[in-house]
Amino acid sequence: DIVMTQSPDSLAVSLGERATINCRSSQSVLYSSNNKNYLAWYQQKPGQPPKLLIYWASTRESGVPDRFSGSGSGTDFTLTISSLQAEDVAVYYCQQHYDSPLTFGQGTRLGIK
Amino acid sequence: EVQLVESGGGLVQPGGSLRLSCAASGFTFNGYWMSWVRQAPGKGLEWVAIIKEDGGEKYNVDFVKGRFTISRDNAKNSLYLQMNSLRAEDTAVYYCARLQLTGNRGRGYFEYWGQGTLVTVSS
Repeated sequence: DIVMTQSPDSLAVSLGERATINCRSSQSVLYSSNNKNYLAWYQQKPGQPPKLLIYWASTRESGVPDRFSGSGSGTDFTLTISSLQAEDVAVYYCQQHYDSPLTFGQGTRLGIK
Repeated sequence: EVQLVESGGGLVQPGGSLRLSCAASGFTFNGYWMSWVRQAPGKGLEWVAIIKEDGGEKYNVDFVKGRFTISRDNAKNSLYLQMNSLRAEDTAVYYCARLQLTGNRGRGYFEYWGQGTLVTVSS
């Protein structure tokens, strides 16, 4: 199974500042035949189901604010929130869909400093 | 608007059974792979099972094989999870999710999620 490891487990950022969450996979999730990274990011606010933010490592889902961006390739990926808003308080998960079983990172809890 | 509404959760004793349902609306149900993902209290997300549009392919995570069975009724726009031989460690919120397929054997990412139904396994 591909193990997804996120860092840090939690972080606190001031409103308006940048937040960066990392995700590392135990093997590459880059498919060489199409040059796509099989990596998605989700946001889960308290008491709510997860919400898809980003797929193919860097493509924002429709309706997701452009302060959210994804980057990285191969085994190392980053979710960046350029200017933290109060409504961004949540747990963030990465997920690989390169191989079965589909696996998630353990989550990163983002709060306000 | 895509809607996924789970039901059937509750308190069950260890070794017992439960059948979860997910009612789908707002999209062509028989055009999508569907999945169950669970989340133990205070823990992360864990993929459980997935089923092809026509029910012809099904995949489970190893720790539920032989105990959980995913199925669907496209005429009723419904997804199911039959859970047998339940254990305390199966206690979780179970989410129904629509998959955006990106590869074979049910690989993909989860576009839409229901609100979840809580299953508690305890004596």
